Amino acid sequence: QSALTQPPSASGSPGQSLTISCTGTSSDVGVYNSVSWYQQHPGKAPKLMIYDVSKRPSGVPDRFSGSKSGNTASLTVSGLQAEDEADYYCSSYAGSSRWVFGTGTKVTVL
Amino acid sequence: EVQLVESGGGLVQPGGSLRLSCAASGFTVSSNYMSWVRQAPGKGLEWVSVIYSGGSTYYADSVKGRFTISRHNSKNTLYLQMNSLRAEDTAVYYCARDFDLGYWGQGTLVTVSS
Repeated sequence: QSALTQPPSASGSPGQSLTISCTGTSSDVGVYNSVSWYQQHPGKAPKLMIYDVSKRPSGVPDRFSGSKSGNTASLTVSGLQAEDEADYYCSSYAGSSRWVFGTGTKVTVL
Repeated sequence: EVQLVESGGGLVQPGGSLRLSCAASGFTVSSNYMSWVRQAPGKGLEWVSVIYSGGSTYYADSVKGRFTISRHNSKNTLYLQMNSLRAEDTAVYYCARDFDLGYWGQGTLVTVSS
């Protein structure tokens, strides 16, 4: 099972919007609505930001939103803030009780 | 409050074994999906294994046959027994709860080196 493909980096100025893509295949992202997004600050554990493509856990700001089209899922961060600077990973259920993560995107707030 | 606390990491020689523990509080381990996810130094996340509430277990191809996930219901603790360790198993190992990995522990570092 190959990792999902994410851009290595993305950046934006405070207040701007930023979108990160996550490209999989018809065996994972394309067929299951079980795509999640995680935020990870340096030295910290990942934190769930989006699940089931577009749902936000309690406590996650509504600046974070998710979507999916075909084999590609996306995470959009609106109104970028300094604390959004972190690594972001997507993941997808891949069938047969297996999960696959994305390659990760380092987000920089300029 | 849901809490997950991993322990058991350390330095081990190639070919050696190690058992990781994940002590849970605030919920019942045996009633939830519980997974192990690892992250090699400076690298991305990799799903390792899952145990369902019914007891079924599944593994990534990279660890199948070498790692075993289990739980101790009365101790409310998840385990990962790691045998035949290789240098490429060096990573921070996290335990996580739920199908969508909604809760994570702080991780424990495993270093495989001679």
